[in-house]
Amino acid sequence: DTGVSQDPRHKITKRGQNVTFRCDPISEHNRLYWYRQTLGQGPEFLTYFQNEAQLEKSRLLSDRFSAERPKGSFSTLEIQRTEQGDSAMYLCASSPGTGLGQPQHFGDGTRLSIL
Amino acid sequence: AQTVTQSQPEMSVQEAETVTLSCTYDTSENNYYLFWYKQPPSRQMILVIRQEAYKQQNATENRFSVNFQKAAKSFSLKISDSQLGDTAMYFCAFTFRTGANNLFFGTGTRLTVIP
Repeated sequence: DTGVSQDPRHKITKRGQNVTFRCDPISEHNRLYWYRQTLGQGPEFLTYFQNEAQLEKSRLLSDRFSAERPKGSFSTLEIQRTEQGDSAMYLCASSPGTGLGQPQHFGDGTRLSIL
Repeated sequence: AQTVTQSQPEMSVQEAETVTLSCTYDTSENNYYLFWYKQPPSRQMILVIRQEAYKQQNATENRFSVNFQKAAKSFSLKISDSQLGDTAMYFCAFTFRTGANNLFFGTGTRLTVIP
């Protein structure tokens, strides 16, 4: 169990650029989640995958955001035409697919700063 | 709407003393799980303790215990024999038994353990 890993740890980009983050969940975890955490707030849910299927998206996930999990393993989160308001910590979490109320295991996050 | 309220933005406690962090939540659902997560400075979020809402017995995990009052929708965390390593942001969260099982987080309580 190597834990959830996210890459990069930090990303600084100019407004209007596209960015892509990667998340590698704990192996054999079927469920994968993306959250966004802004300063002074708790994480807010963005989207959820079970294996390769994206089963739920929150209203926070505007059409500039897209997430994939092509083979049911790693996932990517892309933000197009970044805006100042996208500056945040983006957290990935995974949990086993079996059992109810399984705790989610979080990565270190990717901190995005928009200039 | 599902909400989690942590009314104490910051707290401090002397090393070896006991501290209680408060959390209230609001949901119309009856079946859910409650969690406390800890986020140390610049480190990943980790699970502290988990409570199943249909169990009346309060969960305990070593020095950590909860006081779960379902009717009052209250879920406080007690840390006994506080240690310097307990210094962190603490987030209260819940998830439903069905659906995506995404977490709904509070805004957090910053706990500082004073030597």
